[in-house]
Amino acid sequence: NAGVTQTPKFQVLKTGQSMTLQCAQDMNHEYMSWYRQDPGMGLRLIHYSVGAGITDQGEVPNGYNVSRSTTEDFPLRLLSAAPSQTSVYFCASSYSGLGVYGYTFGSGTRLTVV
Amino acid sequence: AQTVTQSQPEMSVQEAETVTLSCTYDTSESDYYLFWYKQPPSRQMILVIRQEAYKQQNATENRFSVNFQKAAKSFSLKISDSQLGDAAMYFCAPSYGKLTFGQGTILTVHP
Repeated sequence: NAGVTQTPKFQVLKTGQSMTLQCAQDMNHEYMSWYRQDPGMGLRLIHYSVGAGITDQGEVPNGYNVSRSTTEDFPLRLLSAAPSQTSVYFCASSYSGLGVYGYTFGSGTRLTVV
Repeated sequence: AQTVTQSQPEMSVQEAETVTLSCTYDTSESDYYLFWYKQPPSRQMILVIRQEAYKQQNATENRFSVNFQKAAKSFSLKISDSQLGDAAMYFCAPSYGKLTFGQGTILTVHP
C-alpha cells in the first residue's frame, strides 16, 4: 500500500544512546518532515526537507540530525538521547511544502528515554 | 512565529447533533492552505478537510464543513450529525510551506 512507513513503532533507549528513526514513502513526494508530539501539545516540527539533498530546521531541532540522500527516505537521528526526547514521533510527506493535496503521515514511533 | 490557537481544549456533543471547533491563526503569508486533522486513540493522523486560502468558498466533505474567514484569520470546523466514530483529538493546521499545528481539541461524542 502506498504511504509513509515509519520504523520502529516503539523504542526504549537509555540516556546517552543514539538511534535512527526510519521514514520511507513511495508516493514520490518531494517534501518530507519530522514532528514530535508531547502530551497536551500539538505536533511540533523538528526538521524538514524539500527534496533530496536539501534539509532545514524546524521549531525544535536541537538534539536531532537528518539527511535526505534519496527522495524516498528521510531518517531522523538522535545523537545522544535525553529523557526530554521521550515523545511520539511522526513523519509526514507531501508533494510540496504547501501541501496542496494534503500531507500523509506515518503511524508514529513512541520513544521512551530512561 | 506563526501561531495557531485552538481555544477549546475539550468539547462534547450528543450523537446526531452538530458541533463546531474553533481555530484562529496568525500569518502574513498570502498563499497558504488550511487543514483539519483527526487523531483517534490509534494515534494515526487522518486528514478531515482542506481549504485553499485563495478560495472564498468554504470547503465541505460529507458531514464536515469549515467556516473560513480570511480577514479574521479564523478557520472553524463544523461536524454535523455527529457519530461515535468522530470522537478523537482534532488539530487545526495551516500550511505556509510548512505544516503548523494548534494544540488540539478533544472531542467526546455521547450516545
